[in-house]
Amino acid sequence: SAVISQKPSRDICQRGTSLTIQCQVDSQVTMMFWYRQQPGQSLTLIATANQGSEATYESGFVIDKFPISRPNLTFSTLTVSNMSPEDSSIYLCSVAEQGAQGYTFGSGTRLTVV
Amino acid sequence: AQSVSQHNHHVILSEAASLELGCNYSYGGTVNLFWYVQYPGQHLQLLLKYFSGDPLVKGIKGFEAEFIKSKFSFNLRKPSVQWSDTAEYFCAVNAGYGQNFVFGPGTRLSVLP
Repeated sequence: SAVISQKPSRDICQRGTSLTIQCQVDSQVTMMFWYRQQPGQSLTLIATANQGSEATYESGFVIDKFPISRPNLTFSTLTVSNMSPEDSSIYLCSVAEQGAQGYTFGSGTRLTVV
Repeated sequence: AQSVSQHNHHVILSEAASLELGCNYSYGGTVNLFWYVQYPGQHLQLLLKYFSGDPLVKGIKGFEAEFIKSKFSFNLRKPSVQWSDTAEYFCAVNAGYGQNFVFGPGTRLSVLP
């Protein structure tokens, strides 16, 4: 299965600033997803990142707050903009691997906004 | 829209007890079903998955799950739990390859030594 490197693993940020999270995959994948896991809760899909097109955002998430880049088939970034304490969560990327029909998750980025 | 419910928020068992975690989903079409585990401080790991075929699926670490289509259920089982099984367990569904997951709210399992 694919191996995902997600950076940073954790960060503590000041409110009003922005953080960019990187997701690097060791193989080419078509579909990449970004999830958020708020403290004590389940995972919620933020957006689907497709190479060569705009990301598709779920209800409650907007591009101005969570801009996503997908420059190629092995890399994506998620930016959390103008952060507030409510953005404190774990952010995870996930990839869907064609053929094996496997899904792999990154190790997550634990974000604390103070 | 798809939705996933998990019967228990928190389950407490003693070592060697049997485990069954309930999962029900709501979706009218064909779905793929998954169970993920998240050990304390660690990332999600796939326990098992069902795409088609034998509805009884065996996964890692002695876990298995049974897909009952008529009940829209995919319950996770383990005959004898260990302290190391203490973790959060998430049931998830998607509608096919390349589709996003819908996760259940999770069930926290605490196994007492």
